[in-house]
Amino acid sequence: DAGITQSPRHKVTETGTPVTLRCHQTENHRYMYWYRQDPGHGLRLIHYSYGVKDTDKGEVSDGYSVSRSKTEDFLLTLESATSSQTSVYFCAISEQEDQPQHFGDGTRLSIL
Amino acid sequence: AQRVTQPEKLLSVFKGAPVELKCNYSYSGSPELFWYVQYSRQRLQLLLRHISRESIKGFTADLNKGETSFHLKKPFAQEEDSAMYYCALSGRTSGSRLTFGEGTQLTVNP
Repeated sequence: DAGITQSPRHKVTETGTPVTLRCHQTENHRYMYWYRQDPGHGLRLIHYSYGVKDTDKGEVSDGYSVSRSKTEDFLLTLESATSSQTSVYFCAISEQEDQPQHFGDGTRLSIL
Repeated sequence: AQRVTQPEKLLSVFKGAPVELKCNYSYSGSPELFWYVQYSRQRLQLLLRHISRESIKGFTADLNKGETSFHLKKPFAQEEDSAMYYCALSGRTSGSRLTFGEGTQLTVNP
């Protein structure tokens, strides 16, 4: 398995609170991605990064921000969590943008 | 725009029966297709990609550009094949992101 660690693995929080999810990789891959997985929607890209301090939006970026200050870490922040952001969040990495992506174990986030 | 469609959300077969998970795509350029598998509450794993033309765990998939399909097949399903399967597409042009279908939950019954 690729060296990808997501933390926390599970989190329950309340509407309106800030939440930060962390993705840490030991593969030195350039590209990192955040997806959310919801029934009936498959996986949808939230944000991705193509290098340190280089990020761009995916298809469902509203309400989310990201930061990448080091190659190995990619943070996803929900500034003010809403119940619609209850989901399973997956981080992925790839060497190049057209190469296969390798996924972390996911973070199960519940917003009450 | 690129799009992946998996028409079956649920698929149930008996052990030993053939199984085919359908995937159709739309993309104006030259696509690269993948199948990912997710066993219960585990991470997604790359199962196979069309350019490799290999068989993994008995599964194969052939890219049919005429029908814009990339169906996943296995001649004899096993109980351990029960999982969620995602078809994904990546364009070969710069800036093309990986696009996933909605997934098919395969259940192989004993």
